[in-house]
Amino acid sequence: GAVVSQHPSRVICKSGTSVKIECRSLDFQATTMFWYRQFPKQSLMLMATSNEGSKATYEQGVEKDKFLINHASLTLSTLTVTSAHPEDSSFYICSARGGNTNQPQHFGDGTRLSIL
Amino acid sequence: DQQVKQNSPSLSVQEGRISILNCDYTNSMFDYFLWYKKYPAEGPTFLISISSIKDKNEDGRFTVFLNKSAKHLSLHIVPSQPGDSAVYFCAASKGGQNFVFGPGTRLSVLP
Repeated sequence: GAVVSQHPSRVICKSGTSVKIECRSLDFQATTMFWYRQFPKQSLMLMATSNEGSKATYEQGVEKDKFLINHASLTLSTLTVTSAHPEDSSFYICSARGGNTNQPQHFGDGTRLSIL
Repeated sequence: DQQVKQNSPSLSVQEGRISILNCDYTNSMFDYFLWYKKYPAEGPTFLISISSIKDKNEDGRFTVFLNKSAKHLSLHIVPSQPGDSAVYFCAASKGGQNFVFGPGTRLSVLP
């Protein structure tokens, strides 16, 4: 149980393109979803937290107009990297949590974003 | 300032022996901890958790120990298997809110 699907797994696109990444909880209702970014050989860095039906809470230093997050339903959250540039190239991972806050987060398999 | 530290970037262990992965944290308000395992090009997989009301939690081959006074936790894997080779992250939170992840330790279990 507790499967999180993230799509696409890899994106290569030109600078200036906007890229949308989807995160779905397949067998549970995700009241909270998280978006992380991982640089090579570094830990996961939390970008933002979103609760279904409300605006996302962004971590310090993360541009909310650059990284648009929508959590429209209890099973789907999307991250849109707007006008992507090469420095946005990274590994983006979503996670989802249902129920109370002491439940573990369940992660998707990540999206490797490469901006040329 | 890293709130969660995993000071060993890598660890090699012989198959069948014990693997001990360590994690230190600085924020005394953290009261809930998780360990995740991550294979290349995949998302992390939840392994085991522990809350601050306990000092040990066991699940099969995996045991997590928490020393609150030392702000230290460790993950023990015994016996280690080649399939355990992965990067292990510890994560800490206050009240189960946003988790802070350590940088990870790459475990290699040698056959």
